[in-house]
Amino acid sequence: DIVMTQSPLSLPVTLGQPASISCRSNESLVDSDGNTYLNWFQQRPGQSPRRLIYKVSNRDSGVPGRFSGSGSGIDFTLKISRVEAEDVGVYYCMQGTHWPWTFGQGTKVEIK
Amino acid sequence: QVQLQESGPGLVKPSETLSLSCTVSGGSINSYYFIWIRQSPEKGLEWIGYIYSSGSTNFNPSLKSRVTISLDTSNNQLSLNLTSVTAADTAVYYCARQPTRRGIGPDYWGQGTLVTVSA
Repeated sequence: DIVMTQSPLSLPVTLGQPASISCRSNESLVDSDGNTYLNWFQQRPGQSPRRLIYKVSNRDSGVPGRFSGSGSGIDFTLKISRVEAEDVGVYYCMQGTHWPWTFGQGTKVEIK
Repeated sequence: QVQLQESGPGLVKPSETLSLSCTVSGGSINSYYFIWIRQSPEKGLEWIGYIYSSGSTNFNPSLKSRVTISLDTSNNQLSLNLTSVTAADTAVYYCARQPTRRGIGPDYWGQGTLVTVSA
């Protein structure tokens, strides 16, 4: 299985400051169709995961513009331009190129 | 608004079969992929498998020998059976929907149901 490694695992952030989460795969996530199936999910406390970003950089409907995704190949990043209180939770990357699809171990974002 | 709701026993004995249902409302089942994912502290988020509205399936190889996923399109209901369970199968089980077979991840999730495997 593809291993997705996130860093850091814990990210204390000051309100209004930026945050960045890294996700690295042990194999390229470029699919045979030319797409890169790297997605990001947010899981707020007590809730189900919610998709924020799909195919590296495409924001889901209703996701605030302060969330952005970037990267290629094996290295990917989720950025929050200015953290708000509602952003507290655990963030997961997920690769959908190689079956079985796999998630990273999660990065916990908390307010300092 | 699409909604998914899992249901089933919260406690299953070791070696028995875990059976869950998921009712889909607010949208058609046709032309979508329906998914089971589980989450535990030990393994994190783990894909179990998915089924397309035509009935075709794909399972995680690590669970394939024990998993059945079915779809009742007349009742908009998804089902999961996992046989010969052990404590390692204790997890929150989610049903979810994905619009394509490509791995863009689910766009709608159920609230999840905790299943504990214990005698």
